[in-house]
Amino acid sequence: NAGVTQTPKFQVLKTGQSMTLQCAQDMNHNSMYWYRQDPGMGLRLIYYSASEGTTDKGEVPNGYNVSRLNKREFSLRLESAAPSQTSVYFCASSAVTQFYGYTFGSGTRLTVV
Amino acid sequence: AQRVTQPEKLLSVFKGAPVELKCNYSYSGSPELFWYVQYSRQRLQLLLRHISRESIKGFTADLNKGETSFHLKKPFAQEEDSAMYYCALGDQAGTALIFGKGTTLSVSS
Repeated sequence: NAGVTQTPKFQVLKTGQSMTLQCAQDMNHNSMYWYRQDPGMGLRLIYYSASEGTTDKGEVPNGYNVSRLNKREFSLRLESAAPSQTSVYFCASSAVTQFYGYTFGSGTRLTVV
Repeated sequence: AQRVTQPEKLLSVFKGAPVELKCNYSYSGSPELFWYVQYSRQRLQLLLRHISRESIKGFTADLNKGETSFHLKKPFAQEEDSAMYYCALGDQAGTALIFGKGTTLSVSS
């Protein structure tokens, strides 16, 4: 099983450019999440999707948009990248809610210059 | 407010020494607590769920509601335990996990 697959693994953007981070899971999970990981800050929730067709803001949603394309896929879009968005982005999924624990993707390391 | 506090950024121990990674939480009611581990250049993996009371790779964690703590313990550290450890709390709405800032465990010989 692939589990949770994220693409790309690495990306360098110039300030103002846009891009979409892709995430797909093959475990038939209902819930999907996007977190960013920054040194000294831990993981902070950007957006989540409790089920297909729904999305909600997390702790740090500014500058991001998401799309739950179908049950498998949950994408994160940066419309106009800023240096403050330099981070490692993790996608995760869970069967129902967080109570069963998350399965994480391998992460996308994004640098905005 | 719901919060997870991991007071130590870095914990350095020698191989064979006991390990205790601290986690304190703020929550009203019965919390759902987890420990995740991230080895170098790898994805985060679920290590423990308090509800299952299991022991993984020799690690255990006990929920202490009086002290609002969920410390991770291992009696004898191994070099392969070197990693970043995150404590996480299920939020009150039942929608997502709140993570602490993480503790880097370094085990040397």
